[in-house]
Amino acid sequence: EVQLVQSGAEVKKPGESLKISCKGSGYSFTSYWIGWVRQMPGKGLEWMGIIYPGDSDTRYSPSFQGQVTISADKSISTAYLQWSSLKASDTAMYYCARLGPPFRNWGQGTLVTVSS
Amino acid sequence: QLVLTQSPSASASLGASVKLTCTLSSGHSTYAIAWHHQQPEKGPRYLMKVNNDGSHYKGDGIPDRFSGSSSGADRYLTISSLQSEDEGDYYCQTWGTGIQVFGGGTKLTVL
Repeated sequence: EVQLVQSGAEVKKPGESLKISCKGSGYSFTSYWIGWVRQMPGKGLEWMGIIYPGDSDTRYSPSFQGQVTISADKSISTAYLQWSSLKASDTAMYYCARLGPPFRNWGQGTLVTVSS
Repeated sequence: QLVLTQSPSASASLGASVKLTCTLSSGHSTYAIAWHHQQPEKGPRYLMKVNNDGSHYKGDGIPDRFSGSSSGADRYLTISSLQSEDEGDYYCQTWGTGIQVFGGGTKLTVL
């Protein structure tokens, strides 16, 4: 069974850094793209970027280019989403998902709250 | 530009059927799409992929009440015998070279 298990909820202050994770199991982690999707409170799904863990090829949505960094460690079947300096507007639920395409398997989500 | 358009809301009675629409932008009418369902306070769940020719491929465990179809630039999700657990938001998704696109979502209310 394909599973994507994300790290737990985070509460951070503006300006702090953060790295959240998504661990894949039940399939060949290096053979499928993994994406990150943001959902702000009460809003829809927004695609942030995707990474191919096999060679770390990464593509970003223009809306998120330069705002976040997506990476992966294939030795532990884990993808990451990180911020160097969080803003209050980064408060959202973040989902990872495995691309078929399309996104066929979803993680449970990581809630990130940024507040002073 | 690759864009997906969905109506913001829909409603139908318990036990009835409803057909949701996702429209591809001009020049992209041959693209496949996917449907995802998000129940209140839960994460998204993949329902199915719908191809340009109307063929559709459902995810594991998706009931037969859910079906997909296509006409021109429109892709449809039909839900029959509506149940209370079908309430929530329905998103369509498509993809191109290096990009993924979501529609704005349709909030389905089961009356």
